[in-house]
Amino acid sequence: QQQVRQSPQSLTVWEGGTTVLTCSYEDSTFNYFPWYQQFPGEGPALLISILSVSDKKEDGRFTTFFNKREKKLSLHIIDSQPGDSATYFCAASGGNRIFFGDGTQLVVKP
Amino acid sequence: EAAVTQSPRNKVAVTGGKVTLSCNQTNNHNNMYWYRQDTGHGLRLIHYSYGAGSTEKGDIPDGYKASRPSQENFSLILELATPSQTSVYFCASGDSQNTLYFGAGTRLSVL
Repeated sequence: QQQVRQSPQSLTVWEGGTTVLTCSYEDSTFNYFPWYQQFPGEGPALLISILSVSDKKEDGRFTTFFNKREKKLSLHIIDSQPGDSATYFCAASGGNRIFFGDGTQLVVKP
Repeated sequence: EAAVTQSPRNKVAVTGGKVTLSCNQTNNHNNMYWYRQDTGHGLRLIHYSYGAGSTEKGDIPDGYKASRPSQENFSLILELATPSQTSVYFCASGDSQNTLYFGAGTRLSVL
């Protein structure tokens, strides 16, 4: 059973628009939810993260929301830029394990 | 600067040959991981380690071995490489919160 489900698989938005990526998870004991950003030819890198005691965290144009009751999280990118074009992974962690979604390939068109 | 370094960055191997992928971290993290990334499959966990001398099977361990001789080094070994193991491999170290720090990847082609 897949522990973390991510959607959409791919997404194209226009420069200046808002990007919304969503994830759901299975295990209610997960308490840490990072988002990773991966550019072609590079490894994933931490973009933003949230703990289960919070429902929102902002970092510049990037905001992650967490809904414990529905076991869902989302990443919002406002004023999307062509430089944001990358693959984004959500993840969920508890104990010693971390589980990744399958990723969303984002293209921001100028 | 703390980092995760993988070598080689690119590798071409022959079917049936032995391949060793190396990973070195200067983050002083106990946990280290090996993933493979294929189009349509995201990141799949092969092996991981909680510290020197320990290795654990991940979700897709078949055909792979791992070795953690020290805190800093974690190797992935393909004893008999097959074309199905053609992929991009990522090593990562993880802190106590399970934030992972990835290397730049190794692109492996098995012909």
